Amino acid sequence: DTEVTQTPKHLVMGMTNKKSLKCEQHMGHRAMYWYKQKAKKPPELMFVYSYEKLSINESVPSRFSPECPNSSLLNLHLHALQPEDSALYLCATGARPYNEQFFGPGTRLTVL
Amino acid sequence: QKEVEQNSGPLSVPEGAIASLNCTYSDRGSQSFFWYRQYSGKSPELIMSIYSNGDKEDGRFTAQLNKASQYVSLLIRDSQPSDSATYLCAVNSGAGSYQLTFGKGTKLSVIP
Repeated sequence: DTEVTQTPKHLVMGMTNKKSLKCEQHMGHRAMYWYKQKAKKPPELMFVYSYEKLSINESVPSRFSPECPNSSLLNLHLHALQPEDSALYLCATGARPYNEQFFGPGTRLTVL
Repeated sequence: QKEVEQNSGPLSVPEGAIASLNCTYSDRGSQSFFWYRQYSGKSPELIMSIYSNGDKEDGRFTAQLNKASQYVSLLIRDSQPSDSATYLCAVNSGAGSYQLTFGKGTKLSVIP
C-alpha cells in the first residue's frame, strides 16, 4: 500500500547538518501528522496539520520545523539535531470523523 | 491524563490457536478504537477499527468493544507465524479530536 509515501527511507546526518523529511499522501485526507517512534515504544505525536494549518505542536524542540505546502505534502525540516533524536519518523494521514490514521513507511533517522 | 493499557507480553501461542489481545482505556468519553500491527522495523498498519459496542469481524480478526467496562480486545483466529508482530491499541477521545492515545503494545509470537 503506497498511499502515504515518505522519503528518504534512511537518513544519516551529523549534528551540524540540515536535512528534510518528505511525506506525500494520495488519500484525500485533510489531517496530516508527524510522529517519532523509538525502539519498543509507541509512536509519539509531534505535529498535527489540519487543512494545511498547524493545529497541534506537542512542545517539540525548534530544531524540528514542520511545513505543509499543500493538502498532499508534508515536510519536516531538521537542523542541529542531537544523537537522541535518532528514531523512526512516521507521517500519517487522518480520516474524519473517527480519526482513523494511516501511516507511511517511515524514515529511519540516525544522528551521529 | 488519558491512558491506554496493554499487556506488554510477549504473548506466545501455537500456530492455529486463537490469540487474544486486550486493552483498557481511561477516558470514558472515547469514541473510536483501533488496532495496529507493527512488524519489527516497519511502520504501524491499521488492521481493525471499531466504534460501537459488540464485535466486528474481518477475516481472521475480530475486534470486541465494551464501553461500559472500557475494554477493547482483538482476537486472531487460526494464528499464523506471519501474525508475529507487536499489536498497538489506539484510542481517539471524541469527535473532532485529532489525537490518538496509544498503548505500549503487545508483542505476539506465533510458534510453528
